[in-house]
Amino acid sequence: KAGVTQTPRYLIKTRGQQVTLSCSPISGHRSVSWYQQTPGQGLQFLFEYFSETQRNKGNFPGRFSGRQFSNSRSEMNVSTLELGDSALYLCASSLGGVGDEKLFFGSGTQLSVL
Amino acid sequence: QQQVKQSPQSLIVQKGGISIINCAYENTAFDYFPWYQQFPGKGPALLIAIRPDVSEKKEGRFTISFNKSAKQFSLHIMDSQPGDSATYFCAASKGAQKLVFGQGTRLTINP
Repeated sequence: KAGVTQTPRYLIKTRGQQVTLSCSPISGHRSVSWYQQTPGQGLQFLFEYFSETQRNKGNFPGRFSGRQFSNSRSEMNVSTLELGDSALYLCASSLGGVGDEKLFFGSGTQLSVL
Repeated sequence: QQQVKQSPQSLIVQKGGISIINCAYENTAFDYFPWYQQFPGKGPALLIAIRPDVSEKKEGRFTISFNKSAKQFSLHIMDSQPGDSATYFCAASKGAQKLVFGQGTRLTINP
């Protein structure tokens, strides 16, 4: 079974631009979560999608948004990039049902904002 | 109240020794406590997890000890090996889909 796939692996953008990151979950998984990892703030929850609906949301500004498609693939968008958005963005998938807690993480997209 | 505090920040253990990492939480609504292992360039991988109705869970060389009254839980790695050198994160959540992570512990096992 293939793992969680995130593309691209690396991304360099400049301030003010927008960026879209992609995540393909493990086959059969219906929940996709996004996390931001930085040396200073650690791992922080962004949002979670289940069956194309946002089910949970973290404390990030509205510039961070996401969506999930009918095949469970998910995209995350960051608009008007700031220097502080430089981070490793991790996607995790799970079955998503009650009691299905195991999250499987991808290797992440390393975003650098210049 | 959403914080999970993890210590130590870094830890050096001799091969064959016991590695111990501690975490404390504040939110008594949390009902799921996993530990993740992360190698450089990779995403975190689930090691072991526990629910608050159990005080200890063991899987191979990895053991979680859980103290509900103290709101603390810890990871013990027995017979630590150089291949265990990685960053370890504790986490907590209610319902698992919105994990609150500790700050991480960089573990180095000296051969």
